[in-house]
Parts: sequence; C-alpha cells; structure tokens
Amino acid sequence: ETGVTQSPTHLIKTRGQQVTLRCSSQSGHNTVSWYQQALGQGPQFIFQYYREEENGRGNFPPRFSGLQFPNYSSELNVNALELDDSALYLCASSYPGGVDTEAFFGQGTRLTVV
Amino acid sequence: DAKTTQPNSMESNEEEPVHLPCNHSTISGTDYIHWYRQLPSQGPEYVIHGLTSNVNNRMASLAIAEDRKSSTLILHRATLRDAAVYYCILTKGTYKYIFGTGTRLKVLA
Repeated sequence: ETGVTQSPTHLIKTRGQQVTLRCSSQSGHNTVSWYQQALGQGPQFIFQYYREEENGRGNFPPRFSGLQFPNYSSELNVNALELDDSALYLCASSYPGGVDTEAFFGQGTRLTVV
Repeated sequence: DAKTTQPNSMESNEEEPVHLPCNHSTISGTDYIHWYRQLPSQGPEYVIHGLTSNVNNRMASLAIAEDRKSSTLILHRATLRDAAVYYCILTKGTYKYIFGTGTRLKVLA
C-alpha cells in the first residue's frame, strides 16, 4: 500500500449533478496530481496542486476544479456531470525532492454517471 | 512532454525474463524515463526510473540506449503477479505524467 487514500471507492451520479472526490496524500508530500482514466485507456492528467496552489492543468474544462488543504489533502470537484465523465479518478502524491523520486498513486474512485 | 511508443501487448512464460521496449525518439536532455505498472483494479505503481545510465532495483532493470532514444524494462523472472499494463513515461520531474496506452503484459503459467 502506498499511503495515499481516496474516497469514496465507488459512486454513481446522475447527469447534471456535481461530485466531490477526496484524496489524502502520503505524509510529507506537498504535491497532489489528479488523473482521469477511461476504460481501456491510460490515465490523463487533469491538474496538479503544490502547496495549496494549482500548478499546471491538462486539457480539461473549467467544470473540473480542485482544492488542496493545509495538510496537503486534496479534493477534485466536477460540476454538471456528463456521461463521458464516467471513469476511474486517480490521485498521486509526490515528495518535494523533485526528479529523483516517485509518485504514489491511490487506488482510485470509480465514478459512474447515468 | 515528449511522446513514447510501446507495443500494445506482450506475452511471457512464467519464470522467464521479459524485455519491454519503449521508443522515445524526441526525448530531450532533461527528460527522465519513468516506468510505472498498473495491476488490475489498482492505481499505477512505480517500477523504476533513470536518466542516462542503466539502473537496477529489486523489481526490475532499466536499460537505456546510448542515444537515449529508446529504453527497455527488464523483468528478470516473470511471475503471474507481474501481469499488468506497463507505462513508459518521460518527465522533467514535475509529476505531470503523460501516459500512453502502455503495454499489456500477459504471463503464462
């Protein structure tokens, strides 16, 4: 186990609703990245938070937003859910040491939009 | 970030070595080569990374071509537990990984 925990593990939402996913990073890690993984595809980078500030964003619309808290845990919020938002959402935390370290991924939250 | 190219799938017999190739012809001098793997129903797991020299750790070895335009992940003795999707990623250390579709490794008993 990596020490990165995500909640909930599964949830089902209706199109148009809003959802909040949570990630508790590994102790000492101040950087959290979020990824979306559609079935059969590799994870796609959504955005990254470093010390509570957004630090880079992938090709996702503004209805995908996030927060990072002083304890470095993080939330991913998705508004106006669409059917194509159904995916596994992964968070990864990383140590502030830079290039010579690894990122630790959580088990993911499986979101189904109906 | 520069792109990588990997075969879609590979097969190996249990207890035999596996060589997983990755092409990255547009790699820049500051790009690190990272390998992650994703077991079924789990998040990606770090395997190994390197810059220029070959690297070994308890999980695998990474062989990097002299021109750095390709690399090979080597699993010395494949086990059933090694069946996973393996991703080769180039990164400048920002952890903003660009994943491809990876190589699905099947291990035959």
